[in-house]
Amino acid sequence: SYVLTQPPSVSVAPGKTARITCGGNNIGSKSVHWYQQKPGQAPVLVIYYDSDRPSGIPERFSGSNSGNTATLTISRVEAGDEADYYCQVWDSSSDPPVVFGGGTKLTVL
Amino acid sequence: QLQLQESGPGLVKPSETLSLTCTVSGGSISSTNYYWGWIRQPPGKGLEYIGTIYYSGSTYYNPSLKSRVTISVDTSKNQFSLKLSSVTAADTAVYYCARRTTVTHPWFDPWGQGTLVTVSS
Repeated sequence: SYVLTQPPSVSVAPGKTARITCGGNNIGSKSVHWYQQKPGQAPVLVIYYDSDRPSGIPERFSGSNSGNTATLTISRVEAGDEADYYCQVWDSSSDPPVVFGGGTKLTVL
Repeated sequence: QLQLQESGPGLVKPSETLSLTCTVSGGSISSTNYYWGWIRQPPGKGLEYIGTIYYSGSTYYNPSLKSRVTISVDTSKNQFSLKLSSVTAADTAVYYCARRTTVTHPWFDPWGQGTLVTVSS
């Protein structure tokens, strides 16, 4: 089955740029979606189709996907961005076809 | 704005059946553009996909849970439900319902607030 690998944690100072990676075999050929989960809350979609933002998501959130790595980039990081972030793909050759990464805890210093 | 809300017992005894319902408001569960899914998250761990259902009743179950899972839909009530039988402590988790797109590479949006189900005697 398809595996998505995320770093367990990323730390960044306020106002700086955070980059959270999601690794997978030829992930660039798939569409990657990203979710933000704040403590005690449900996940919220922040990026779909690699780089599209749902309405209401700040432009500070962006995504890219190429080769074996997809990246969620958060610019001008704020304290309120501290959360767990999960990547997700659909892999039709896997069962289940919905695959989540293990999640990355973003800490704002 | 579409909202989903999980409901059901927060405590289930080992070997019994976990039953949850997700009520959809602000939109129709009979839309041809969406599936409706269940995802769970054990305490302190990541997300696990349980399965989905279409308004017509067509289902998909995660093979790791397939023998114990049943997802059903009640379009008249705009609800869908999850049953998980023969539960053990390993089934203790926050259970989320969510809407899933029907596109080739689907995502989940929005999600319900989640409900914690603890399996314990």
